[in-house]
Amino acid sequence: GAVVSQHPSWVICKSGTSVKIECRSLDFQATTMFWYRQFPKQSLMLMATSNEGSKATYEQGVEKDKFLINHASLTLSTLTVTSAHPEDSSFYICSARGGEAEKLFFGSGTQLSVL
Amino acid sequence: LAKTTQPISMDSYEGQEVNITCSHNNIATNDYITWYQQFPSQGPRFIIQGYKTKVTNEVASLFIPADRKSSTLSLPRVSLSDTAVYYCLVAPGMDSSYKLIFGSGTRLLVRP
Repeated sequence: GAVVSQHPSWVICKSGTSVKIECRSLDFQATTMFWYRQFPKQSLMLMATSNEGSKATYEQGVEKDKFLINHASLTLSTLTVTSAHPEDSSFYICSARGGEAEKLFFGSGTQLSVL
Repeated sequence: LAKTTQPISMDSYEGQEVNITCSHNNIATNDYITWYQQFPSQGPRFIIQGYKTKVTNEVASLFIPADRKSSTLSLPRVSLSDTAVYYCLVAPGMDSSYKLIFGSGTRLLVRP
């Protein structure tokens, strides 16, 4: 099946710094990518929808200036958590739609810990 | 957006068949039903997708009645490694911009 690569798998940073997470579709072109966050023992919460070459669409309550999303090509989307704070610590997951039958494939996730 | 309802948790034992039912009363004509499996600290993994009747692959079967208002994921002879959270989602099959909203999922615990 199609593969979505997410990097890094985990990151620890100091409060106030910015962190970039990459999401790549390795063997298919993804016109749309999605970013989720997940807190322990909770479901995935959609943060934003990212379309190649255009601005991301953010879900209600998600700060677009804090969570910068760039979808520069059909195989790469990035999420930058700016001026991270401890409450931003979470598991971030990207997904891309494409490949066979337009299924949705997920990255392996990034565990962000802000000290 | 079709809302889905699943049991919060289920327990089973190794070797048993597990059936997880999902309700989606407001499913639209062009919606497909997809099930994902998620292990802790990993992204969800695609299990199976269907539109109607029965679909079977190497890991599971998906049963969808004629009215499509529910679906049942069947896992034959579960093992300890099947302990995970299972999510049922409905969405248009070929709309690449359609966003998938996750419900609470079903936390399956397989005991030895």
